[in-house]
Amino acid sequence: EVQLLESGGGLVQPGGSLRLSCVASGLTLSTEVMHWVRQAPGKGLEWVSTISGGGSTTYYADSVKGRFTISRDSSKNTLYLQMNSLRAEDTAVYYCAKDGCSGDSCYSFAYWGQGSLVTVSS
Amino acid sequence: DIQMTQSPSSLSASVGDRVTISCQASQDISIHLNWFQQKPGKAPNLLIFDASNLETGVPSKFSGSGSGTDFTFTISSLQPEDIATYYCQQYDNLPYTFGQGTKLEIK
Repeated sequence: EVQLLESGGGLVQPGGSLRLSCVASGLTLSTEVMHWVRQAPGKGLEWVSTISGGGSTTYYADSVKGRFTISRDSSKNTLYLQMNSLRAEDTAVYYCAKDGCSGDSCYSFAYWGQGSLVTVSS
Repeated sequence: DIQMTQSPSSLSASVGDRVTISCQASQDISIHLNWFQQKPGKAPNLLIFDASNLETGVPSKFSGSGSGTDFTFTISSLQPEDIATYYCQQYDNLPYTFGQGTKLEIK
């Protein structure tokens, strides 16, 4: 059974940094396409970042490009999101998510963690 | 970026009603569309992928249809446990984008 467990959220001042972790079980993270998705309080869902299977290619939403870095540690089966230069508008629950596949078709966001709340405030 | 326009933004219906939500993409996304259910304080739960395929373990009262730019999500007979916010999402192109959500309530 695939399980994703985020941690590392908390309260941080504007301009500060935070690193989120997503520990995976029931899968080998190093071969999977993985994502971060966020949801501001009372708002909708926003894709943040994606790392390709093998980890050689990364993608970012314009709103976080140059400030956030997605990475993974295969030895720990863990996905990370390093968040720098945080702003109030980055306040959100951050979810890690994994693609699913059925036959020859793969689709995004089939599995989700429970989320980790990041609050950026002075 | 592909814009996803979902309607209505809120919907009030009675138990047993058939409920339909629409989602329109700003460009052709083939069938690369998901539908999610999200209950308060919980992560989104994937119900439908590839526009019309039911995810494993999801009740058959949920269904999806469409291709290209116009998509529909249906609950055949609304039950109290279906109260949630529903989102469409395209995965044809990065950045992946979501509709703004439809909040479903019981009348």
